[in-house]
Amino acid sequence: DVKVTQSSRYLVKRTGEKVFLECVQDMDHENMFWYRQDPGLGLRLIYFSYDVKMKEKGDIPEGYSVSREKKERFSLILESASTNQTSMYLCASSVVRGHTNEKLFFGSGTQLSVL
Amino acid sequence: KQEVTQIPAALSVPEGENLVLNCSFTDSAIYNLQWFRQDPGKGLTSLLLIQSSQREQTSGRLNASLDKSSGRSTLYIAASQPGDSATYLCAVNYAGNNRKLIWGLGTSLAVNP
Repeated sequence: DVKVTQSSRYLVKRTGEKVFLECVQDMDHENMFWYRQDPGLGLRLIYFSYDVKMKEKGDIPEGYSVSREKKERFSLILESASTNQTSMYLCASSVVRGHTNEKLFFGSGTQLSVL
Repeated sequence: KQEVTQIPAALSVPEGENLVLNCSFTDSAIYNLQWFRQDPGKGLTSLLLIQSSQREQTSGRLNASLDKSSGRSTLYIAASQPGDSATYLCAVNYAGNNRKLIWGLGTSLAVNP
């Protein structure tokens, strides 16, 4: 079975800190995604990557950056954490078929609190 | 605008009932549609993926249908159990949307013993 592993289940950081969220998948998937999930707003795409060193902005990239140096690892970086970035962060991966994603596999999420 | 709507937002049923969750989308030009389950505070688990060319997919007690012409998908859960209690989300891969999924807000299901 595909495994997507997020490095932390819970994280508490202070305003202004630089925060790294790590995600690793073990199935050689081309696509990797970072979402945040907030009550009433659903899942919102922050960034995605379709290959090593390739990235595309999602719907809410402001305040975030990403890094994909190896195919299996996709990192989300909060350059200077703010309280409005308190959220559940979800990483996902998928195989690509032509123009579309196949089944998405998610990590168990990181609940980030910024104080 | 490409949107996905799930109604109702919440549903409570007694154990053993057969139930239907709904997902509506605004554009029939889609590549595929996925149904996911999310338990509280956890990540999402993919349940079923229906390609644009398919009408339905089945897995155990779950059956998902797709009607592109009406912009609807339904997730049918047979003989519901308390363990089915979770939030069910629908996500659509619209054509021309560069692999970005559009998500519904989900239906929160409670199956009561």
